[in-house]
Amino acid sequence: GQQVMQIPQYQHVQEGEDFTTYCNSSTTLSNIQWYKQRPGGHPVFLIQLVKSGEVKKQKRLTFQFGEAKKNSSLHITATQTTDVGTYFCAGRLYNQGGKLIFGQGTELSVKP
Amino acid sequence: GAVVSQHPSRVICKSGTSVKIECRSLDFQATTMFWYRQFPKQSLMLMATSNEGSKATYEQGVEKDKFLINHASLTLSTLTVTSAHPEDSSFYICSAGVFTEAFFGQGTRLTVV
Repeated sequence: GQQVMQIPQYQHVQEGEDFTTYCNSSTTLSNIQWYKQRPGGHPVFLIQLVKSGEVKKQKRLTFQFGEAKKNSSLHITATQTTDVGTYFCAGRLYNQGGKLIFGQGTELSVKP
Repeated sequence: GAVVSQHPSRVICKSGTSVKIECRSLDFQATTMFWYRQFPKQSLMLMATSNEGSKATYEQGVEKDKFLINHASLTLSTLTVTSAHPEDSSFYICSAGVFTEAFFGQGTRLTVV
């Protein structure tokens, strides 16, 4: 079936270092979303990318959607301890209604 | 943003009993809701799509007789775990929102003893 692969599974960084997580889909996506889940919490929406090659920024976070609409990345510049959590990408397929296929998630830990 | 309320947040039940989890959209109507299951440190696995007024659509490998879904109104979907066993212990979470962002409930931590 359709899959969204996400790497790395874990990332440990020193505060101030950058962080990147990557997602790759086996099929072309209608759009891709990114979520953040804190330990014990539920996923919280960060952003949605729709257009081929789209790049969006939210303060220190930069999101990219590949030209083929099959891959995406989230880059955090100068991480802070508040960035700790698991980041999930979630892809929407064409003609599948609102169904989201989640990547495996990348757990980010930040050492002060 | 929109609010999705899920209840209960935690439940402990005995093996063989059934547990009902409610998912409500508080300030919007949701003709479609989604139910996910999440194991510790793993991703969200879509279990089924709940459709108001019609049968739920289950993902491959999910037992429809074990995980009963009812979407009786535009603001409420329920998931009933029937004859629960310890391997059903997990974090269950619902979401609503079809065309834009998904709004998630707080999740239900189910422990079957």
